[in-house]
Amino acid sequence: ETGVTQTPRHLVMGMTNKKSLKCEQHLGHNAMYWYKQSAKKPLELMFVYSLEERVENNSVPSRFSPECPNSSHLFLHLHTLQPEDSALYLCASSQDSSGANVLTFGAGSRLTVL
Amino acid sequence: GQNIDQPTEMTATEGAIVQINCTYQTSGFNGLFWYQQHAGEAPTFLSYNVLDGLEEKGRFSSFLSRSKGYSYLLLKELQMKDSASYLCAVRDEGSGGSYIPTFGRGTSLIVHP
Repeated sequence: ETGVTQTPRHLVMGMTNKKSLKCEQHLGHNAMYWYKQSAKKPLELMFVYSLEERVENNSVPSRFSPECPNSSHLFLHLHTLQPEDSALYLCASSQDSSGANVLTFGAGSRLTVL
Repeated sequence: GQNIDQPTEMTATEGAIVQINCTYQTSGFNGLFWYQQHAGEAPTFLSYNVLDGLEEKGRFSSFLSRSKGYSYLLLKELQMKDSASYLCAVRDEGSGGSYIPTFGRGTSLIVHP
């Protein structure tokens, strides 16, 4: 266990479904992140939350909707996704969103959109 | 923004030494990270360089030259378990004073017996 837990580990959904990815950290960190990892591509930053407030949104389509109810939990709500959204979605946390900023990652949620 | 380049794939023999290079172009450079990611697992932090020079940590070392926009990760006495993807990430000053790192595509290292 890395201290960051993601569920589910695998998810298959149709384009009309609505599902959510969950991330939980017990490291006392104040910043949480969603990254998208596709084959042969760099990790793409999607969202950053610092103390439950969104501080960065990298022009992500509105079919991805993040939610951060407290500093330990982060969700990614998914609706009307496209097949090209199939990827590994990684959650990470850090002490804060500036400074030394070493990221602790979860193992990821592997999403397949049919 | 940043432009980060690293080789896609490398192979090496168990017991050997391998060097994985990373070049970058960025404004407002504020540090470089290396992460290791085994297949199906979370990326884990290996090293951080912000000043020029070599940082050694056991079998792994990381080097930085800010003037050349260049870093390398050196792995000695390779073991089979070192087969993984190695991610280079560069931090610079983003909007609002944030320092969120940007990642390269990663280098897949395959260690043969």
